[in-house]
Amino acid sequence: DTGVSQDPRHKITKRGQNVTFRCDPISEHNRLYWYRQTLGQGPEFLTYFQNEAQLEKSRLLSDRFSAERPKGSFSTLEIQRTEQGDSAMYLCASSSDGTRQPQHFGDGTRLSIL
Amino acid sequence: GENVEQHPSTLSVQEGDSAVIKCTYSDSASNYFPWYKQELGKRPQLIIDIRSNVGEKKDQRIAVTLNKTAKHFSLHITETQPEDSAVYFCAASIRGSGNTPLVFGKGTRLSVIA
Repeated sequence: DTGVSQDPRHKITKRGQNVTFRCDPISEHNRLYWYRQTLGQGPEFLTYFQNEAQLEKSRLLSDRFSAERPKGSFSTLEIQRTEQGDSAMYLCASSSDGTRQPQHFGDGTRLSIL
Repeated sequence: GENVEQHPSTLSVQEGDSAVIKCTYSDSASNYFPWYKQELGKRPQLIIDIRSNVGEKKDQRIAVTLNKTAKHFSLHITETQPEDSAVYFCAASIRGSGNTPLVFGKGTRLSVIA
């Protein structure tokens, strides 16, 4: 069990550029979650999947954000036309199906918008 | 929607003393409450969780209590050590079961002074 892995660890880009992050969950986990964390705050929910189905999107997820999990394994989160306010740590977590299964987090991708 | 309040925002204790962090939640349907520890630059790590069918759970020096009537839960760390210094987050499941998105508190920065 290598845990949840995320790539890249850091991303610096200019405002207006598109960025894409990848998350590989724990191999037997069906559920995958994306959260965003800004300095001094707790993680905030963005969206989550059960296998390849996207079950819910937060109001925080504007039209510039899109997430996919095409084969029910890894997931990607894309941000188009990045803005200063998108600077944050993007965290991925995964869990098993079943009631009240714990979520395990990856190390995150830190996005900095210049 | 669910709202989680966490207090205090910072906490300093002498090594060997106990630390208590308290959280309240708003949605009476929530029934899963995890606690995460996050060290600087690292992923949130699950340290303990509690389900609504129990009032208390203990794991070595860490315990969590839950009062469903009052909608609050607390983390207790006994015999604190310098390595307990970190930011601690409480969370509650949005809709009951743990494998749905979590709502996090804003965190408590715990400093254990040797």
